[in-house]
Amino acid sequence: DVKVTQSSRYLVKRTGEKVFLECVQDMDHENMFWYRQDPGLGLRLIYFSYDVKMKEKGDIPEGYSVSREKKERFSLILESASTNQTSMYLCASTRVPGGQRETQYFGPGTRLLVL
Amino acid sequence: SQQGEEDPQALSIQEGENATMNCSYKTSINNLQWYRQNSGRGLVHLILIRSNEREKHSGRLRVTLDTSKKSSSLLITASRAADTASYFCATGPGSGNTGKLIFGQGTTLQVKP
Repeated sequence: DVKVTQSSRYLVKRTGEKVFLECVQDMDHENMFWYRQDPGLGLRLIYFSYDVKMKEKGDIPEGYSVSREKKERFSLILESASTNQTSMYLCASTRVPGGQRETQYFGPGTRLLVL
Repeated sequence: SQQGEEDPQALSIQEGENATMNCSYKTSINNLQWYRQNSGRGLVHLILIRSNEREKHSGRLRVTLDTSKKSSSLLITASRAADTASYFCATGPGSGNTGKLIFGQGTTLQVKP
């Protein structure tokens, strides 16, 4: 079974802090994604990566950056956390063959509170 | 941008009843997928239906797709309390091959024992 893990389930940070959210998958998937989920807004794509060191902006990249130095790891960085970044953050991965025809495998999520 | 819209936003039924959720989308798709999310957890894939398919079954799940109406429905038969969760549809765009999906806002299902 594919396993996608996220470094923290719950995180509390202060405004202005730099925040790192880590995601690791163990199935050699090429594509990895970061979403945020807010009530009434569903899942919104922040960034995705289709290969090591490759990244593309999603729908709401402002205030975020990402890093993919190794295939199995995709990090989301909040350069200077703000209260409006309080949210549930979900990481997902999928393999390339078939691309969008493949299902996405999700991590358990990180609930971030920015004070 | 969110192109999937789910209806209803919330649904409450008794155990044993059937639950039907609907999803509409706006652009052409390659496939449509349904995911389930238990409270405070990640999403779990349930079923995928391709654009050239009209109906698909998996256990107690039945999914239909009508590309002419740009809509899909998920039917859960003989519901159980354990089916209580949020359900999301997600569409894979008709062009491109990045693996990106566009998710709807979800239907929250409560199954009362």
